[in-house]
Amino acid sequence: QTVVTQEPSFSVSPGGTVTLTCGLSSGSVSKDHYPSWYQQTPGQAPRTLIYSANTRSSGVPDRFSGSILGNKAALTITGAQAEDESDYYCVLYMSGGIWVFGGGTKLTVL
Amino acid sequence: EVQLVESGGGLVQPGGSLRLSCAASGFSVSSYYMSWVRQAPGKGLEWVSVIYNSGRAFYADSVKGRFTISRDNSNNTLYLQMNSLRAEDTAVYYCARVGYSYGFNSWGQGTLVTVSS
Repeated sequence: QTVVTQEPSFSVSPGGTVTLTCGLSSGSVSKDHYPSWYQQTPGQAPRTLIYSANTRSSGVPDRFSGSILGNKAALTITGAQAEDESDYYCVLYMSGGIWVFGGGTKLTVL
Repeated sequence: EVQLVESGGGLVQPGGSLRLSCAASGFSVSSYYMSWVRQAPGKGLEWVSVIYNSGRAFYADSVKGRFTISRDNSNNTLYLQMNSLRAEDTAVYYCARVGYSYGFNSWGQGTLVTVSS
């Protein structure tokens, strides 16, 4: 069974930089997994931030960036703002018509 | 403007059935991969199912054999038929459009399914 791993929680100071990661329980994440990232606040539908590892979705501020770092996908927020306090999810396309979400990271900005 | 509107959620007893609908506007569901994603109360997102524009469908192991995804091109609507429902199927169900790079690029607002006696 494929497990996608994310940090359960992270904290960043306003104006600071934070990198959230998305890994695999076995193996490495690559561009072939088409990693994508989503932001979700309580009671709201997810918002698409990044797709295909590093492409920002329309309207997403450029302080959000995606990359592959070593064997993981990464979401970096540069100059974090109070409104970035949310849950962040990554999802990997595993081929064969299957997607797997990570457990999510709760980001606190304080 | 792309819009997805889910409906059909509600309270159902264990073992019961429910059909969710997702009405799409601003694009044709037949031209895209379309998916269902769910979120149990207080939990993370879980991918449930996808239907390709070819009509081929895939399911998460947790729902395989119980759920069926389909679409009605004339009504531009996506469906999820859920049978043999269990308490662990309780969740908000979102429909989502899959973009050309396998990311979910549009989301509905979700519909709540509660499985309880």
